[in-house]
Amino acid sequence: DTGVSQDPRHKITKRGQNVTFRCDPISEHNRLYWYRQTLGQGPEFLTYFQNEAQLEKSRLLSDRFSAERPKGSFSTLEIQRTEQGDSAMYLCASSLEGTGTQYFGPGTRLTVL
Amino acid sequence: AQTVTQSQPEMSVQEAETVTLSCTYDTSESNYYLFWYKQPPSRQMILVIRQEAYKQQNATENRFSVNFQKAAKSFSLKISDSQLGDTAMYFCASRQGGSEKLVFGKGTKLTVNP
Repeated sequence: DTGVSQDPRHKITKRGQNVTFRCDPISEHNRLYWYRQTLGQGPEFLTYFQNEAQLEKSRLLSDRFSAERPKGSFSTLEIQRTEQGDSAMYLCASSLEGTGTQYFGPGTRLTVL
Repeated sequence: AQTVTQSQPEMSVQEAETVTLSCTYDTSESNYYLFWYKQPPSRQMILVIRQEAYKQQNATENRFSVNFQKAAKSFSLKISDSQLGDTAMYFCASRQGGSEKLVFGKGTKLTVNP
């Protein structure tokens, strides 16, 4: 069990650029979650997938954000036309349906200049 | 709406002593779950302990235990025999039964001093 992995760990971009992050869940976990954490705050829920279906989305997920999980394994989170307010740590978590416990990855820290 | 409040931004404790971190929550659901997560500096978030609301018995995991007061909507974390490795941000979180969304508090920064 290698845990949840995220790539890249750090991303610096200029305002207006698009960025994409990847998350690989624990292999047998069918649920995958994205959260955003800004400095001094707890994580905020963005969205979650069960297998390849996106079942819940937060109002925080504006139309510049899109997440996919095409084959029910890894997931990508894309942010288009980045803004300075998008600077945050983006966390991915996974769980096995029925267990209720989410396991978190190390996060991708995004800095928008 | 689901809310979680941690009223202690920072706490410190001497090694080997006991410390209690506070958390209150609000939910309209009768079926919910409560969690404490630990986030060490520059490291990933780890589950410390979880409590199902329907269980009356307080959860324990080795040196970590909770005091779950359902009527008061309080969920405090007690760390016994504190160790230097316990230094971290601690987040209280809740999840309503019909949702997969975790709602987190703002966290308490705990420092264990030698």
